[in-house]
Amino acid sequence: QSALTQPRSVSGSPGQSVTISCTGTSSDVGGYNYVSWYQHHPGKAPKLMLYDVSKRPSGVPDRFSGSKSDNTASLTISGLQAEDEADYHCCSYAGSYNPYVFGTGTRVTVL
Amino acid sequence: EVQVVESGGDLVQPGGSLRLSCAASGFSISSYNMNWVRQAPGKGLEWVSFITSRSSTINYADSVKGRFTISRDNVKNSLYLQMNSLRDEDTAVYYCARQLAVAGYYYYVMDVWGQGTTVTVSS
Repeated sequence: QSALTQPRSVSGSPGQSVTISCTGTSSDVGGYNYVSWYQHHPGKAPKLMLYDVSKRPSGVPDRFSGSKSDNTASLTISGLQAEDEADYHCCSYAGSYNPYVFGTGTRVTVL
Repeated sequence: EVQVVESGGDLVQPGGSLRLSCAASGFSISSYNMNWVRQAPGKGLEWVSFITSRSSTINYADSVKGRFTISRDNVKNSLYLQMNSLRDEDTAVYYCARQLAVAGYYYYVMDVWGQGTTVTVSS
């Protein structure tokens, strides 16, 4: 199972919006509506930001939103804030044999 | 507070063995499926292994199959990963992660993660 493809980095100024793409195949992203996104500050525990493509766990600001089209999922951060600077990883369910495939990871930089 | 804490990471020579532990608190792991996920230096996250709440189903990534063994002790509220025949490419931070479950329904997502434990395989 190959890793999902994410841009290596994206950046934006405070208040701007950034979008991170996550491209897979019909066997993972395109085959299921089970894409999740994690925020990861180095040295800390990854934090769940979105699941089932666009659902937000309790406590996650509505500045974080998700969508999916065919084999590509996207995470959009609106109203970018300094604390959003982190690594973001997408993840998709890929079937019962190898249930999870992760993305290559994207570093978000707040300018 | 709901949390998991990994331990057991160390420097080990190629071909060696190591056992990682994950201690849960604030919840009972007996009600949850659990996973191990790793991140090699400069790389993205990689799912390693999965075990259901009663150990009835276990899965491994192809990269570790036959070398790693996942297990759990619901009484001790702990998850384990026995790693044998370690290779350079197993060098990574290893995370324990809980599968999200609500009212008996399991979502395909991991909602509670630890800070990880570092495994370095090098001679």
